[in-house]
Amino acid sequence: QVQLQESGPGLVKPSQTLSLTCTVSGGFISSGGYYWSWIRQHPGKGLEWIGYIYYTGSAYYNPSLKSRVTISVDTSKNQFSLRLSSVTAADTAVYYCARVGDSYDHFDYWGQGTLVTVSS
Amino acid sequence: EIVLTQSPGTLSLSPGERATLSCRASQTVSRSYLAWYQQKPGQAPRLLIYGASSRATGIPDRFSGSGSGTDFTLTISRLEPEDFAVYYCQQYGSSLFTFGPGTKVDIK
Repeated sequence: QVQLQESGPGLVKPSQTLSLTCTVSGGFISSGGYYWSWIRQHPGKGLEWIGYIYYTGSAYYNPSLKSRVTISVDTSKNQFSLRLSSVTAADTAVYYCARVGDSYDHFDYWGQGTLVTVSS
Repeated sequence: EIVLTQSPGTLSLSPGERATLSCRASQTVSRSYLAWYQQKPGQAPRLLIYGASSRATGIPDRFSGSGSGTDFTLTISRLEPEDFAVYYCQQYGSSLFTFGPGTKVDIK
């Protein structure tokens, strides 16, 4: 059973960079066959896909966030990470990491999510 | 970018009733890359249906998905108390994932 767990600061100051890590257990990112993704949900709102990465480091981003987002992978730690620069209050959200299913079109395993608040 | 619209916004039903949720896309969803998720308060979304009609592992058969092109439906044949939640559709196309705004199924 694959499990994902987000970690990182719950409070980030405006204009700074949000950094989160997702640790995967029950499977190896380096095995390939799956993409690994970040998704966020603004308080009381819907879901927004941020981007995904393959174990090789190839990453794809939502065009609406592309200029501020970097997703990276560390196969030695079985982790992948999100960096979102120049944050504002509009980036306050619950951030989820998730695995893209083997048909590459849906998310089959999710982390529990972590709330990140942008505030001074 | 394909925009997804879900209707109704809220569906008020009683346990045992049938729920029919709609998801409409602004363009054709290629290869029926359409999924449905259930989300309860304070929890992550849970995959129910992928490929428009395939049930995810462990999902009861009272949940079914149908549709193609631009019109998709999630049906819950008989609502159980644990089914009252928010349901999202999601599509994949042109290396981009988008979600619908959600339908809340609440107890009448």
